This record gives sequence, C-alpha cells and structure tokens, in this order.
Amino acid sequence: GAVVSQHPSWVICKSGTSVKIECRSLDFQATTMFWYRQFPKQSLMLMATSNEGSKATYEQGVEKDKFLINHASLTLSTLTVTSAHPEDSSFYICSASFGNTGELFFGEGSRLTVL
Amino acid sequence: QKEVEQDPGPLSVPEGAIVSLNCTYSNSAFQYFMWYRQYSRKGPELLMYTYSSGNKEDGRFTAQVDKSSKYISLFIRDSQPSDSATYLCAMTMNTGFQKLVFGTGTRLLVSP
Repeated sequence: GAVVSQHPSWVICKSGTSVKIECRSLDFQATTMFWYRQFPKQSLMLMATSNEGSKATYEQGVEKDKFLINHASLTLSTLTVTSAHPEDSSFYICSASFGNTGELFFGEGSRLTVL
Repeated sequence: QKEVEQDPGPLSVPEGAIVSLNCTYSNSAFQYFMWYRQYSRKGPELLMYTYSSGNKEDGRFTAQVDKSSKYISLFIRDSQPSDSATYLCAMTMNTGFQKLVFGTGTRLLVSP
C-alpha cells in the first residue's frame, strides 16, 4: 500500500509558540491531503482539506489563521499551529488520497502537548 | 447527539472467538461505510469498504450494513492476538473518501 509519513511523532512546546507538522506521501503523488484532530476519547475530526497549489478548505469551527496549512508540492503538506495554547494539545493526523478510488492512507499521527 | 456512535471498549476476547464490532449513525445521507484498523502508534488502515446494505466478506472479516436501522457491523472470525487493535468505523455521503466522519473507535484485545 501507499505510505504516508508524518513528522514529528510527538512534540512538546510552550504556550504561545508555533509548531509545524509535516505530512509526506513517500511513494505516490497526492493532490489532496486531509488533516484530522483527535482529542482523548473522541473521534477523529476532519479539520481541513489540503489541495496542492491552492488554499486549504477548512471545516466549520476550525480557525484558518490558527491552523495554517500549506500544500506546496504533490508529496508534502504542512500544518502549522500558530500561537499554540494548552487547549490545542491533541493528536493530529494527516491522510493522503491515492489513485482513482481516492482511498486514504494515513500518517502515524503527531501528538502535540502545549505547556 | 454524535453523528456516529461507537462503543470505545475495550473488548476482550479469547483467541478463536468471533468478534462483533458495531456503529450506529444518525445521518441517513451517509452512503459509504468503512472500517479502519489502527495499531498502537500507527495510522488507521482501511479494512473494509461498503456501499449498499448487506454483507461484504473478505477473509475472516465481514462488514454488514443495515441502512434502515442506521447500523453497521464488522465481524471477525477466528480472532487472533494480532487482531488486537483499535477499530474505527467511518462513513461519508460522498463518493470516494472525502469528508469521512469517524466513530471513536473500539479497542479490541484478543488474548492467546
């Protein structure tokens, strides 16, 4: 199957700082990538859809100025959590759409802890 | 009310047991239903993908969809310790895998 790599796996930062998470499709080109967030004991929630070369589409309730998404190439999308606060502490996971079916392949996730 | 409800478990069974995992949903517009398996510290991987009501079988796994009851199930026959993982149901109104709505996942533990 297709491989999606996410980095870093976990990150701890101070409140007010910004954190960047990378999502790479290693063996295929992904025109569309998705970013999800999962709080403890809750479902994976779609945050935004990232399309290569265009602006991301954010789901209702997700602040686009706080969660900056860049999809500058067919193999890389980045999520930057700006001015992070403790309530942003969560598990962030990306997925990339592959092939004609659009099947999603997920990264391993990034656990963000904001102190 | 959550759009998709799934018991988080954990569900503990002995090796060889038949496992039944379930989700209910409230939005009748959902047309496509998936089951993902997620091992610890790994991303979810697609197990089964169904469209219509009825059963779909793949090896030891059977996915069942009952749209009239808004209820989907995943059955695992002859469960193995390697099946121990979190199983997430997901569904969408759209073709393909756009805008998936996930359940919380059920943690399954299969003991030898």
